[in-house]
Amino acid sequence: GAVVSQHPSWVICKSGTSVKIECRSLDFQATTMFWYRQFPKQSLMLMATSNEGSKATYEQGVEKDKFLINHASLTLSTLTVTSAHPEDSSFYICSARAIRNEQFFGPGTRLTVL
Amino acid sequence: RKEVEQDPGPFNVPEGATVAFNCTYSNSASQSFFWYRQDCRKEPKLLMSVYSSGNEDGRFTAQLNRASQYISLLIRDSKLSDSATYLCVVMGNSGGSNYKLTFGKGTLLTVNP
Repeated sequence: GAVVSQHPSWVICKSGTSVKIECRSLDFQATTMFWYRQFPKQSLMLMATSNEGSKATYEQGVEKDKFLINHASLTLSTLTVTSAHPEDSSFYICSARAIRNEQFFGPGTRLTVL
Repeated sequence: RKEVEQDPGPFNVPEGATVAFNCTYSNSASQSFFWYRQDCRKEPKLLMSVYSSGNEDGRFTAQLNRASQYISLLIRDSKLSDSATYLCVVMGNSGGSNYKLTFGKGTLLTVNP
C-alpha cells in the first residue's frame, strides 16, 4: 500500500506549549488528508478534514483555533496543537486519501502534555 | 442506531481456526467499504477494500450486501500474527467531506497457539 509518514512519532511537552505534527504522503499525492485522535481503548475520532489549498473542515466539538491545520502541498499536512494541556494528551494519527478512495494512515504521534 | 456496528468480541480462537466478523452500517448512501486491522498502540492498516461482488486475498474473504447493509470478513486458517483489532470502515458518497471514514469500534481477535 501507499506510504504515509508522520513526524514526530512521540513528543512530551510542558503545558502551554504548542506542538506541530507533520503528515506526509511519500509516494502519492493526496488532495485530502485527515486528522484523527485516539484515546486508550477507544475508536479513532475524526478531528478534521484537510484539503490542499483550502481551509480545513472541523468536526463538531473540535476547536479550530486550538488545532490549526495547514495543507500547503499535495504531500504535506500539518497539525499544530496550540497551548497544549494535559487533556490533549492522546495518539494523533493522520491519513491520506489515495486512488479508489483508500486511506492510508501515518504511524501516529503520541503526545504527552505534562 | 450506530453508524457502523460490529461484533463486540473479543474473539479467542486456536491457530488454524476460521473466524468470521460481521458489520452493519446505517447510511444506505455509503459508497466505499473497508476492513482495517489495528495492532495495539499502532495505526490502522488497510487490510482490504470490500466490493459487492465479494473479494478474496489469500486467507481473507470480504463480502458486502448492500440490500441488508451488511459487511463481513472471513479469515481462514488463522495465524498467531492475525491477532489484532479488526475495524469495519465505511465511507460516504464521493465528493466534499463525504470522503470521511466512519469506523466501527473494532473487534479484538486473539489467536492462541
